[in-house]
Amino acid sequence: DADVTQTPRNRITKTGKRIMLECSQTKGHDRMYWYRQDPGLGLQLIYYSFDVKDINKGEISDGYSVSRQAQAKFSLSLESAIPNQTALYFCATSDAHPNSFNEQYFGPGTRLTVT
Amino acid sequence: RKEVEQDPGPFNVPEGATVAFNCTYSNSASQSFFWYRQDCRKEPKLLMSVYSSGNEDGRFTAQLNRASQYISLLIRDSKLSDSATYLCVVPHTGTASKLTFGTGTRLQVTL
Repeated sequence: DADVTQTPRNRITKTGKRIMLECSQTKGHDRMYWYRQDPGLGLQLIYYSFDVKDINKGEISDGYSVSRQAQAKFSLSLESAIPNQTALYFCATSDAHPNSFNEQYFGPGTRLTVT
Repeated sequence: RKEVEQDPGPFNVPEGATVAFNCTYSNSASQSFFWYRQDCRKEPKLLMSVYSSGNEDGRFTAQLNRASQYISLLIRDSKLSDSATYLCVVPHTGTASKLTFGTGTRLQVTL
């Protein structure tokens, strides 16, 4: 079974709809992240969480919100979807050693289309 | 200068060839660097880490040039299975868990 799972894998929704993307991990990591990827752009950080009580905005948080329901679960919500939120969304996790790089493990991605 | 900059390619090379990609970064305080591999429509996966001057793993060599602020990835004896996009990644200074990703360099290895 995959260590980091995302649901749904594909979603088509209409402008103005609320949508939630879910991420679960079995790696026991404290740190979780949400990214979006657009063609020609690098992965952009939306939100990140270093533990259940810690939520931080990333580079492009406007129009998004998150919830860290448990160590293993981190969900991303689009309160009112708009077409320019059409993208590939990745969840990632990492361990937590201070001041050292911790490899980020990515989920398989959710392809979201907003029409 | 962008935080992390890569030539998007594509690099089209025949099987068996040697190919190298460069990545430039803007933060001279960065201490560690990484190459991730991403197959089409799949998730990125860590390929190599570079903490000092370089790192070698089989056919892959990553090198760091701090004076010129670039890292390179060299792939020898290219295989068809090496076809992918290679992402240059630089951790934020101060918060090493936050990463800045380059836009990626696409490699296509052909027969």
